[in-house]
Amino acid sequence: GAGVSQSPSNKVTEKGKDVELRCDPISGHTALYWYRQSLGQGLEFLIYFQGNSAPDKSGLPSDRFSAERTGGSVSTLTIQRTQQEDSAVYLCASSSSWAGTGELFFGEGSRLTVL
Amino acid sequence: DQQVKQNSPSLSVQEGRISILNCDYTNSMFDYFLWYKKYPAEGPTFLISISSIKDKNEDGRFTVFLNKSAKHLSLHIVPSQPGDSAVYFCAAHKGGGNKLTFGGGTRVLVKP
Repeated sequence: GAGVSQSPSNKVTEKGKDVELRCDPISGHTALYWYRQSLGQGLEFLIYFQGNSAPDKSGLPSDRFSAERTGGSVSTLTIQRTQQEDSAVYLCASSSSWAGTGELFFGEGSRLTVL
Repeated sequence: DQQVKQNSPSLSVQEGRISILNCDYTNSMFDYFLWYKKYPAEGPTFLISISSIKDKNEDGRFTVFLNKSAKHLSLHIVPSQPGDSAVYFCAAHKGGGNKLTFGGGTRVLVKP
């Protein structure tokens, strides 16, 4: 497809379980971002990948969160030992430039509910 | 520490009238500002942006104003249409990178 693709669109899990969220960016986009939006809140930055550079992990809220990007394309966000406060919509975005105008293209998000 | 703030969580306006959305920021290193629009169950989509070297940028019905001394920007939608009903996010970034810092959003409802 032409846009950013995320899966699953919805995930319900039990507290303490691990979850993986997947993002397939727009083809050719070198930069990939993960954000999350908790209920009634703005978008919170989590992590940023740019080409082969070391990722900017400054937004990850705890060591239970990790992300990788394989082959400069698909990315997986992993949350270990999920907690109820992890419930949110996790949004992935990609962009084509390193220091451009900041226009990010977002996917539709993965809604995570931790019971 | 909220570096980008949208103090009005919601706004209701009559169709055809002007919608004004406000955004304040604290980080003087921000030099590029953007507005995103988000419909339910969809990802945010880019709407309009402005560089810190400008004080106004216009695109059709949408105009963004930047007041650097006040660290304030606003989005004007004129005339407002029912299809403009959505959540609008203000965002900013510092030169040399694309990591955007977002505000909390303003939900706009345009009444027919």
